[in-house]
Amino acid sequence: ILNVEQSPQSLHVQEGDSTNFTCSFPSSNFYALHWYRWETAKSPEALFVMTLNGDEKKKGRISATLNTKEGYSYLYIKGSQPEDSATYLCASPTNFGNEKLTFGTGTRLTIIP
Amino acid sequence: DTGVSQDPRHKITKRGQNVTFRCDPISEHNRLYWYRQTLGQGPEFLTYFQNEAQLEKSRLLSDRFSAERPKGSFSTLEIQRTEQGDSAMYLCASSFDSYEQYFGPGTRLTVT
Repeated sequence: ILNVEQSPQSLHVQEGDSTNFTCSFPSSNFYALHWYRWETAKSPEALFVMTLNGDEKKKGRISATLNTKEGYSYLYIKGSQPEDSATYLCASPTNFGNEKLTFGTGTRLTIIP
Repeated sequence: DTGVSQDPRHKITKRGQNVTFRCDPISEHNRLYWYRQTLGQGPEFLTYFQNEAQLEKSRLLSDRFSAERPKGSFSTLEIQRTEQGDSAMYLCASSFDSYEQYFGPGTRLTVT
């Protein structure tokens, strides 16, 4: 059974501050790591798919890093804005075909104006 | 809007009733997935289709659950004899082969 864990469970950050949170996963039989952003009443939105150790990806003020040897990924948000308030989910597929994603429980981020 | 759509967005039903949800994937996507999210948990995989073939079902999918994708386009998820434990957000996603999964907004089911 693949165990994907996220921390912290929730986070309150002042607008303008930067923040980061963690996703950990088993380092053996690694295929990929997905990050999603899920705003209330909307669809989960894909942020990044990462596959290679040392991978770094960036989308605007959001970036992510991947360490497959030690089994963790960090998501960073620079200069938080109110629209960043959402639940951030990471997920890893259980096989190479990517059919079955195992999700963490998410980090609920609230930006305080 | 060319994203994944789900209908209804909310459903309240009494225990013992049957419910059916619909998912319309992105049109060129051949794979369709169902996940369930309960309070405090991440989404959990239920089942997936490649075209019209249902290729895998989770142990979470009891005999009361059935999913279909009759023409390889939209899919339905039916729950028979609903129980309070079925209350959850039911998410649908689609992809082209093993590429990224795109999610719909979900159907929130409340069983009273």
